[in-house]
Amino acid sequence: KNEVEQSPQNLTAQEGEFITINCSYSVGISALHWLQQHPGGGIVSLFMLSSGKKKHGRLIATINIQEKHSSLHITASHPRDSAVYICAVPSYGGSQGNLIFGKGTKLSVKP
Amino acid sequence: EPEVTQTPSHQVTQMGQEVILRCVPISNHLYFYWYRQILGQKVEFLVSFYNNEISEKSEIFDDQFSVERPDGSNFTLKIRSTKLEDSAMYFCASSVQGSHYGYTFGSGTRLTVV
Repeated sequence: KNEVEQSPQNLTAQEGEFITINCSYSVGISALHWLQQHPGGGIVSLFMLSSGKKKHGRLIATINIQEKHSSLHITASHPRDSAVYICAVPSYGGSQGNLIFGKGTKLSVKP
Repeated sequence: EPEVTQTPSHQVTQMGQEVILRCVPISNHLYFYWYRQILGQKVEFLVSFYNNEISEKSEIFDDQFSVERPDGSNFTLKIRSTKLEDSAMYFCASSVQGSHYGYTFGSGTRLTVV
């Protein structure tokens, strides 16, 4: 069964800073999810990626399948980016199975 | 953009009562899931559902839990006799094909058992 580790657990940044959140997993996968959870509790899917890099606005997600590692970057961070960012992978690797979630990284961006 | 809709957004119930949490998945999705998140903890898998039957369940999903797709659109999670420790945010999700084509999560139901 897959295990997911995220770092850091908490991150405080000044507005405009470049943010990096890391995720490592133990079992090879073909897809990884980055999710965002706002204080109200709702979860929003940011990315599902299986190789290389994806970009959406100021968010960039990268994955290295060989090293079992993914990063989420936020460029020009803004207070509205403050949220918990969660990495999730299939529980049994590959592309099937249910998702195992990391503990999340709580990001706070100060103006 | 298609959404997964969950109702109610917040439910308060007495210990020992039955609750039903409702979800309307995206119409062309085939896989349905329930997850829960106890306050301050990570999201945990409860159950997955495909082709009108449970495809996998976690150890959390014991006999007090059940799922149903009663009418081809709704997907429900029933907790038969709620306990204080069932207080959590419950998320429904759906996907086209397993986890490969991405999940769409509902906004969650916050269940408070008193």
